[in-house]
Amino acid sequence: EIVLTQSPGTLSLSPGERATLSCRASQSVSSAYLAWYQQKPGQAPRLLIYGASSRATGIPDRFSASGSGTDFILTISRLEPEDFAVYYCQQYGSSPYTFGQGTKLEIK
Amino acid sequence: QVQLEQSGAEVKKPGSSVKVSCKASRGTFSSYAINWVRQAPGQGLEWMGAIIPIFATANYAQRFQGRLTITADESTSTVYMELSSLRFEDTAVYYCARVGPEGGMDVWGQGTTVTVSS
Repeated sequence: EIVLTQSPGTLSLSPGERATLSCRASQSVSSAYLAWYQQKPGQAPRLLIYGASSRATGIPDRFSASGSGTDFILTISRLEPEDFAVYYCQQYGSSPYTFGQGTKLEIK
Repeated sequence: QVQLEQSGAEVKKPGSSVKVSCKASRGTFSSYAINWVRQAPGQGLEWMGAIIPIFATANYAQRFQGRLTITADESTSTVYMELSSLRFEDTAVYYCARVGPEGGMDVWGQGTTVTVSS
């Protein structure tokens, strides 16, 4: 099973700042089958990124992602108030399709 | 765009089973994988298993093997998740989610709260 470790656990930033979230896999994620999700309280997760770096439909371009192999990054260039949420990475290249434990992005 | 509508909240006793439905409306249903993901109170997301309705073969996370059954009824565009031998720690919100054509779960149900309580 591929274990995904996200860091930091909590990130405290202000609107307008840049956020960098990390997701590290215990073994290589095949064909960059890595996704990022945003989840707000009481809501289902929302797909942000698939294929490690492709934005899902309707996702603003302030969200970008990169990475391959075992190291992946999600960047939010200029934080908007609605971006404060929990972010999860997930690999879907090897069953079980595991999630990271999440990074909580909170307002400083 | 397909939408996923899940069945309502359930309260179950330890040792019993629960069956949650996920009905697709609008758009293509059978050829995309439908996954089940759960989230215990205050915790992260946990992938449970998936099925591609047109193939009707499910794939389960090892930790649920023997307790989890995912099935699909193409005639009603509905996927079912049945979890048996329920334990208190199975209390969670259960989501169904479609894997989109380019990967990643792009459409989610609204979630079904399952509470295991004596």
